[in-house]
Amino acid sequence: AQSVTQLGSHVSVSEGALVLLRCNYSSSVPPYLFWYVQYPNQGLQLLLKYTTGATLVKGINGFEAEFKKSETSFHLTKPSAHMSDAAEYFCAVTHGNQFYFGTGTSLTVIP
Amino acid sequence: EAGVAQSPRYKIIEKRQSVAFWCNPISGHATLYWYQQILGQGPKLLIQFQNNGVVDDSQLPKDRFSAERLKGVDSTLKIQPAKLEDSAVYLCASSLEPSGYNEQFFGPGTRLTVL
Repeated sequence: AQSVTQLGSHVSVSEGALVLLRCNYSSSVPPYLFWYVQYPNQGLQLLLKYTTGATLVKGINGFEAEFKKSETSFHLTKPSAHMSDAAEYFCAVTHGNQFYFGTGTSLTVIP
Repeated sequence: EAGVAQSPRYKIIEKRQSVAFWCNPISGHATLYWYQQILGQGPKLLIQFQNNGVVDDSQLPKDRFSAERLKGVDSTLKIQPAKLEDSAVYLCASSLEPSGYNEQFFGPGTRLTVL
């Protein structure tokens, strides 16, 4: 069975500080991993994804994530938070053709 | 390129009433998904179509929910009768193919409130 755990339903950072959003997964097969962002009253937008190859994946808006098989993790980072990064972030893992989403992490950026 | 379109954006109904949501995927996308997103939770897949056929509807409450994609393009999700616990955002997404590594493109969602 596939599942995704996002540690911390709410994360607050100061503007300019490091953003770290945690995601751990369980998967019986090599996973495909995704991070999506959801702004208020909007649908989900893909930030980045890992399928195969390089384990450090760069996405849009300065975000990146590293696939660590030994830790079954796919944490999302950004060196310097911007006010526009305030949103809900979802980690997802696929099994076959189905996506399994985490419960989300709400990011607040403090000016 | 136009994105995934959904309507209505908001709907308020009373319990036991019926409601329908419409989705038009990105042109050329064969796969269409309906998700239910309850407040504070991640999206949960309700049903997945490949063209006009159902690929996965294992989490669709079939006693009250139904969905169709008759011509393999746009789709309708219906709830009849609605319950209080159906209050959620209903998201439609589409992808080129059903493969697990393909990006899903999401619409803005329909926020349903059941009173």
